[in-house]
Amino acid sequence: DSGVTQTPKHLITATGQRVTLRCSPRSGDLSVYWYQQSLDQGLQFLIQYYNGEERAKGNILERFSAQQFPDLHSELNLSSLELGDSALYFCASNGGASLNEQFFGPGTRLTVL
Amino acid sequence: GENVEQHPSTLSVQEGDSAVIKCTYSDSASNYFPWYKQELGKGPQLIIDIRSNVGEKKDQRIAVTLNKTAKHFSLHITETQPEDSAVYFCAANTGANSKLTFGKGITLSVRP
Repeated sequence: DSGVTQTPKHLITATGQRVTLRCSPRSGDLSVYWYQQSLDQGLQFLIQYYNGEERAKGNILERFSAQQFPDLHSELNLSSLELGDSALYFCASNGGASLNEQFFGPGTRLTVL
Repeated sequence: GENVEQHPSTLSVQEGDSAVIKCTYSDSASNYFPWYKQELGKGPQLIIDIRSNVGEKKDQRIAVTLNKTAKHFSLHITETQPEDSAVYFCAANTGANSKLTFGKGITLSVRP
């Protein structure tokens, strides 16, 4: 158990809908990272937040957004969902803005029908 | 940007044998190289990592070696056990940034 929690575990929704995925980092960790894992693309970095501020951006679509709250939990918002957004979404956390070790949560499996 | 390639994509070994998984990276500024193990239905678990100032690191049955000149690093698992069966990912950071770029993963099967 990494200490990172994610909810919900599974999410099934329809095209065009909007969902919110939630992540609680390990106690004391200030950085949260979001990744998308699909069969054809592997693990793709989406975005990083550090202590409430966006720190780095990866292959994140404009339909997706994230934020980190004062209690350091983070939410990933996915809107106008398409079939191709079906994937596993992981968050990871670590203690600093540039510390390298990242500890992953169990993931949220999103299915868009 | 960084490109991390992992090969082979699948590997099957007999229990007790050694397994070696290789990765190459493209960004010479990368200085951190972790390996993750992902079991079915779970998130990736960090199993070992190495920084560019060392050439080898060992932790019980697992070791990682780094060749900065050739830009490749390898995971070595000795005395493999069925519970080592999983998908293994290598990754590299992007320069000073903590962003990680992952390889596509390799499925390791350990035959009892």
